[in-house]
Order: sequence, then C-alpha cells, then structure tokens
Amino acid sequence: GAVVSQHPSWVICKSGTSVKIECRSLDFQATTMFWYRQFPKQSLMLMATSNEGSKATYEQGVEKDKFLINHASLTLSTLTVTSAHPEDSSFYICSARGGRAHNSPLHFGNGTRLTVT
Amino acid sequence: GNSVTQMEGPVTLSEEAFLTINCTYTATGYPSLFWYVQYPGEGLQLLLKATKADDKGSNKGFEATYRKETTSFHLEKGSVQVSDSAVYFCAPGGSSASKIIFGSGTRLSIRP
Repeated sequence: GAVVSQHPSWVICKSGTSVKIECRSLDFQATTMFWYRQFPKQSLMLMATSNEGSKATYEQGVEKDKFLINHASLTLSTLTVTSAHPEDSSFYICSARGGRAHNSPLHFGNGTRLTVT
Repeated sequence: GNSVTQMEGPVTLSEEAFLTINCTYTATGYPSLFWYVQYPGEGLQLLLKATKADDKGSNKGFEATYRKETTSFHLEKGSVQVSDSAVYFCAPGGSSASKIIFGSGTRLSIRP
C-alpha cells in the first residue's frame, strides 16, 4: 500500500532557530500533499495544501512566511518552521492522496513532534 | 465546503462492549466517506471507507455504512478490545485537489 514517510519523528530546537520537516511519498507520486497541526487532545488543523511545482495554498490565519512549504518534486514536500517560538511547539502531520481519484484516501506520515525551548 | 460532526468524546467502554461512534456530514454531491484512526503518538491511518450510498466499509471488526438519506457514516464494532483505544476521525472526501477537513475526533478508551 501507499506509504508516506515523515522525518524527523521528533525534534527539539531553541527559540529563534528554524526547523525543516520532510514528507515523502515512498511508492507513489503525490501532486498534492497536506500539512496539518495537532494540539494535544485536539483534532487536526489543516495548515496548507502543498502543490507540486507551484506555491502552497495556506489556510486562513496561517502565516506563510513563518511556515514555508516547498513541494519540489512529486514525492517530496517540506515544511520549514522559521524563527521558531515555544508557541510553535506542536505535532505536525503531513498527508498525501494515494491516487488522483476523489475517492482516494489520504495516507499520513507518522507525524513530527516539535518542541521549542 | 465539506463539514463533519462527530460524537463528543471521550468514550470509555469495557472490553467486549458494543461500540457506536456517530458521524454526520454535509457535503457537495456524494463524496466518499472515510474513518481514520490515530493511535497514541502516531499519525493517522485509514481504517475503512465507503465510496457510494449504501456501501459498507469494514476492517478489523469495525463497520460503517454510507447512509445518504441521513448523511451519516456511523462507526460500529460488536466487541471492542483494549487495543482499540485510540482517537477516531470521520472525514468526507472531495475532489482530487480539494482539502479534507476532519472532525473533532472521538477519543476511545477501553478498560480491560
């Protein structure tokens, strides 16, 4: 089945530094990937839709200059949290559709737990 | 756009109890419907899906039937296990490029 690999699974960084999270589709091509943020015991909040070869589409309230998304190939999207602050600490999850059809399910990475000290 | 309403959690049951987690949705057209499960500290996994009205998705003893007339996709399991403790998300699908919005999720805890 379709596999999405997300790396790293956890990261601790100092306030003011930047962190890059990678999301790879291992055995399929993904023209569209999605980035979510999840707070403890809460649902997933869609941050942005990552489109291969074009700019990402950000949800309302998400700072595009703070959360940089690059979808450089059909199998890789990256999320960079720039100048991280403690309030950016969260669980970040990426996903990609397993096919082009509207009834294709999403396949998720295992998430990245970011802690900013 | 699509939206979904799920049963409020947490839900706590004893092992071997019957489980129902309600899910109703609003959507344009007739989307595919999905249930995802999130185990502690992990990302989401597809649990089951149904692609058209009256379809029944099933996996690992869980079932859900696509009810167009009531716009519902309730998740059921006849006998839950401790290993089923997780958070369950109902999600209507959409066009290939459309975003998918998840409900609030329902946290399920099973007591031995």
